[in-house]
Amino acid sequence: AQSVAQPEDQVNVAEGNPLTVKCTYSVSGNPYLFWYVQYPNRGLQFLLKYITGDNLVKGSYGFEAEFNKSQTSFHLKKPSALVSDSALYFCAVRDMGSYQKVTFGTGTKLQVIP
Amino acid sequence: GAVVSQHPSWVICKSGTSVKIECRSLDFQATTMFWYRQFPKQSLMLMATSNEGSKATYEQGVEKDKFLINHASLTLSTLTVTSAHPEDSSFYICSASSRAFDNEQFFGPGTRLTVL
Repeated sequence: AQSVAQPEDQVNVAEGNPLTVKCTYSVSGNPYLFWYVQYPNRGLQFLLKYITGDNLVKGSYGFEAEFNKSQTSFHLKKPSALVSDSALYFCAVRDMGSYQKVTFGTGTKLQVIP
Repeated sequence: GAVVSQHPSWVICKSGTSVKIECRSLDFQATTMFWYRQFPKQSLMLMATSNEGSKATYEQGVEKDKFLINHASLTLSTLTVTSAHPEDSSFYICSASSRAFDNEQFFGPGTRLTVL
């Protein structure tokens, strides 16, 4: 079975400061890892994904994530937060060997304070 | 590319009526479509997976007769909530995937269902 943990329900950060949203995962095989963002009453927007290769993945809107196999983590980061980054962020995992089923974390609400 | 639409974006209905939600892949052929349900301030819960031309596979605890899924073509899947009740009120999100995109899921904008 695969699972994702987002340990923080909410992260508050001042505008202009770096932000980190944490995610750890568990899969039996090699993981596909994703980050999505959701604005109120909207669907999920894709930010970035890790499949293989470079552990540092760059995505949309200046976000990046670092894959750490030994710590089974895939934390989302941004060097300088914007107020418009305030939203709900979901980490997700798919086992490369599984039939496409993606498991989502519980989500982390990011609040960027002006 | 890889755009998924949903219609309607929101719907209000009376208890006991049925509601149909459409999910379309606009610029690619989706071999598989997924239906999720999201409660307020909660994560997405996978309801079912459907492949074109075959019966949907429902997750444990999801009532097949309550949530009818039809995947009639490679670009269209529908979710019908039958005899809706207030507890069915939720945000329903679909996604579509294709082998051409390494089975990555592309998500629709969601449908807000409110049952009075």
